[in-house]
This record gives sequence, C-alpha cells and structure tokens, in this order.
Amino acid sequence: KQEVTQIPAALSVPEGENLVLNCSFTDSAIYNLQWFRQDPGKGLTSLLLIQSSQREQTSGRLNASLDKSSGRSTLYIAASQPGDSATYLCAVSGNQFYFGTGTSLTVIP
Amino acid sequence: DTAVSQTPKYLVTQMGNDKSIKCEQNLGHDTMYWYKQDSKKFLKIMFSYNNKELIINETVPNRFSPKSPDKAHLNLHINSLELGDSAVYFCASNSENSRNEKLFFGSGTQLSVL
Repeated sequence: KQEVTQIPAALSVPEGENLVLNCSFTDSAIYNLQWFRQDPGKGLTSLLLIQSSQREQTSGRLNASLDKSSGRSTLYIAASQPGDSATYLCAVSGNQFYFGTGTSLTVIP
Repeated sequence: DTAVSQTPKYLVTQMGNDKSIKCEQNLGHDTMYWYKQDSKKFLKIMFSYNNKELIINETVPNRFSPKSPDKAHLNLHINSLELGDSAVYFCASNSENSRNEKLFFGSGTQLSVL
C-alpha cells in the first residue's frame, strides 16, 4: 500500500528566505503528484501537478520536482512571504489519491 | 462561482442523531470523492463515485452512506452519529478520464458530535 511522508511536520522561517518542503512515497507506480495548500478552516487548493513522465513544474515563486525512481518530490518556495503561511500537502495518484500529513509553514514578517 | 460547494460548513449534533452533508460541483467533472480529515490533518478517502457509480469504498462503517443523484452531486448521509465521527469532511472532484487533472476540493464541513 502506498505511504506518503512529509518532513518536516512544521517549519518556521523569516520572510524573504527560500525554503524546501519534502515529500516521499513508497510505490513509484504513480500517475502524477500534486502539491496542495490548505489554509485554516479552508479546503485544499492544488498548486502544482507533476505528471509521472515529468521532472518538474513551476508556477510563479513555486517549483516542484519529482524523482519517481527514488520516490521523492520537493516543493521549493522562493522569497517566502507571510501570505505563504499555510499547511502544504503532497498527494500521489495511483488507483486513488494518497495524501501526506502535511508541513505547517509559518513565514515570520 | 464556487467550483465545489458543500453544505453545511459547520454541523454540531448530539450522539445518535442522523445527519447529511451535501456536495455539488459545477466543473463538469465525472468523479467525486468524500474525504475525512482527522485532528492530525491526515486526509483519508472514504468514497469515490464515477458517473453516479461507486468506485471506491474504503473501510468505512456502514452508518455512512453516500448518494449520487447525478454526476454533479454527491451527498453523504451518516446514521447514529458517534463521538469518533467528529472531523472535517471534504468533498472533491476531478475528471477520471484524464489521469493528470488537478483535484478540486470543497471548503469542508466541520462535524462536531457531542
């Protein structure tokens, strides 16, 4: 069964820093990997989707990479801002979506 | 227009009651899901419907019964509510025909069983 792990569980950085969030998964037979953002009391918003044949995707200050063979993905956030504070979850798609437990990010002004 | 909408946003009820949560999507998707998010923020799939047909039914007590009247709606009915049912329930949708479409979520229903 697919298991998805995210490290660290929580991260606090000063504004302006670049940061990396990590996601690992145990079964490389995936269709895609998505990174989501969840704000308190809100649903999840998909930020980036990387297809299994792709290595990375970029959107603005966000860059997500995928190394399927090693079962790893990273989400790079450049020049962090207080508005980036949220919980970030990754999910891999096989016969269903499997979610990690998330990284709670706090960007300190 | 909200893409995936679910109601109510908050639901507080007594143990033993029966309650329903409604979900609707206007994205033209053919697949809808119910997820449960526990206090540790772990998201676990409960059900998946494709074109009104049940596709995934994880190990969920049979007190939970999903109903899909059409492919734009997926409701969740819960009988005999228990304390352990307290959680946030999310509806989501995507297009099953494309394996590489983003998953869209509703804003969640926070269920508190007293």
